[in-house]
Amino acid sequence: NAGVTQTPKFRVLKTGQSMTLLCAQDMNHEYMYWYRQDPGMGLRLIHYSVGEGTTAKGEVPDGYNVSRLKKQNFLLGLESAAPSQTSVYFCASSYSRLVGYEQYFGPGTRLTVT
Amino acid sequence: AQKVTQAQTEISVVEKEDVTLDCVYETRDTTYYLFWYKQPPSGELVFLIRRNSFDEQNEISGRYSWNFQKSTSSFNFTITASQVVDSAVYFCALSGVPLMDSSYKLIFGSGTRLLVRP
Repeated sequence: NAGVTQTPKFRVLKTGQSMTLLCAQDMNHEYMYWYRQDPGMGLRLIHYSVGEGTTAKGEVPDGYNVSRLKKQNFLLGLESAAPSQTSVYFCASSYSRLVGYEQYFGPGTRLTVT
Repeated sequence: AQKVTQAQTEISVVEKEDVTLDCVYETRDTTYYLFWYKQPPSGELVFLIRRNSFDEQNEISGRYSWNFQKSTSSFNFTITASQVVDSAVYFCALSGVPLMDSSYKLIFGSGTRLLVRP
């Protein structure tokens, strides 16, 4: 049981390049989330999914797209990377939509855009 | 508006000292949950505790204890007899505004970096 995994762990992009971050969970969780972590700002929600085939915007969605083609996978795409997207990206999943269920986080992906 | 404030940006203590990390929250919800997560130098986020708004009992887990006080909107975290392995960034989080389909987002504080020196 690996929990939540993310690939890659590190990436450096040039402005304008594109990439996809992959998140996978093996806990059969319905709900998945993408957050970004910036210094002094905690974590902020980018996009989330409440089930296979569904996605929705969080609080900072601009410049990102997501897809949830399979229940266990949640992809985060950057079509044209910008230096403002330099950040650490965390994927999370949770069993239930109810507020009492904790979210389990992946190890993070450190992205630098030059 | 919902908000979590961790006023202590960084705390440095010597091993074996007790240390308290403060967390103050704002919400208009009557039902909500509070969480603490630990982020060690390796970077992953580790879930520590969940507390619902109807349970104000303090909780103790080994050297860790949590003090939830609705009257002051605080959910403080104390580490007793700190150890070097406790060095990490600690985040307090609040269950936020419901999203589509009533799932929820976590609202995180900005974190407190704890350094435990030998």
